[in-house]
Order: sequence, then C-alpha cells, then structure tokens
Amino acid sequence: GAGVSQSPSNKVTEKGKDVELRCDPISGHTALYWYRQSLGQGLEFLIYFQGNSAPDKSGLPSDRFSAERTGGSVSTLTIQRTQQEDSAVYLCASNLLAGDGYEQFFGPGTRLTVL
Amino acid sequence: AQTVTQSQPEMSVQEAETVTLSCTYDTSESDYYLFWYKQPPSRQMILVIRQEAYKQQNATENRFSVNFQKAAKSFSLKISDSQLGDAAMYFCAYKGGANSKLTFGKGITLSVRP
Repeated sequence: GAGVSQSPSNKVTEKGKDVELRCDPISGHTALYWYRQSLGQGLEFLIYFQGNSAPDKSGLPSDRFSAERTGGSVSTLTIQRTQQEDSAVYLCASNLLAGDGYEQFFGPGTRLTVL
Repeated sequence: AQTVTQSQPEMSVQEAETVTLSCTYDTSESDYYLFWYKQPPSRQMILVIRQEAYKQQNATENRFSVNFQKAAKSFSLKISDSQLGDAAMYFCAYKGGANSKLTFGKGITLSVRP
C-alpha cells in the first residue's frame, strides 16, 4: 500500500502570506502527527490527532498555526501570516493507534521557505 | 518533561567497520519506548529499531543493534558491517507510555567512507 504522502514537496512564500500544507496518511491509520524540522531546533512535535478525540495542540508554537483533519483522514496544516522563522521542513506521520510503541510512519515532508 | 540528547553532531566510519551512535534521555516514567530513525537526503524518516523499556533484552535488526542501559538512561545504536547506504542522519527518539508524541534528539550525521 501507499505510504504517507505530503504536498507540496516544496513551498516558497513571501513573509506575511498564508500557506496550507497537506498530509495524506496511510489508509486505516487513526493517529496523525505533525512535526517541524528546522536547523538548530531539530524535530519538534506540533500537533496530533487520534480518531474523533480532541487533538493535542500542545506543540503549536503560536496561534498563527492551526491544523484540521477531515473525515479522519487527510490533514491540513495552516500557517497564517508566515514569518521567516517558520522556514523549516514540516513532516507528517501516521500510525495505526496512538498508544504504546506503534511505529510512526513518516511522509517525505514539505520544505517551506519564507522570503 | 522528557529530553533526548545526542551529543555527537557528526561521525564517520569506514565501510565494513562498526560504529556506535550515542543517545541519552531523561524521564521519570517507567513505561516508555525508544526508537532510532534514519533520515537520508530524501528526507524520508525510516524506523531502524525499537526498544520497549520493560524488555531487558537489547533489540536487534540484522546489522543494527542497541545497547539499552535503563538505569543509566542510555540507548546507543551499533551498526555492524557499515555500508555506503547507511550514510544518513540518525535520530534517537523517546515515547512515553501515556503520551503519543515522539521527542527527538538533535540527530547525528553519519558518513561512510568507501
């Protein structure tokens, strides 16, 4: 089966513009995660969704960041009024269940560059 | 809060030799999981190996094995018979039993010399 897919692969935007990043998890996976990978900060957790439960938004760095997951499948991460410090690779991951030690399967990421 | 530390930013190994990548972590939990992920230039994160904290036996996956020292909170990855395809960035990650997110170290860049 197909793995986790993300689009676009690369995105260049101007400071102040809004961007939307998309993630298609593996079919049947109930848990979906967003992480951000930036130079000097490593990989940081942003948000995760598990089924119909309220998402864990504890990692979102500011209220300019939001995410939704429609129909328990596709997720969109939205960054409003982008800043240069938002430049990073945004990684999406999914797994069958959020608990225990289930492996998280990662997508190839979206590289965001804010000019 | 849990933290994961990878103190070596870069390492190099000769092809066919063995290399060990270090990782330490800090937690007050007794139930957790530890992972090593590989990230090649394609950016695709790939799980290398997983260790459950309640298991005393060190995990192994072909040429990859870990040295899990629970009391010392150490989780190192040993790569035997290194191959050119092993060149990548390697991340150590922690997952608490009651928490679903992964906490990552800053990663180590491994190069393999032919």
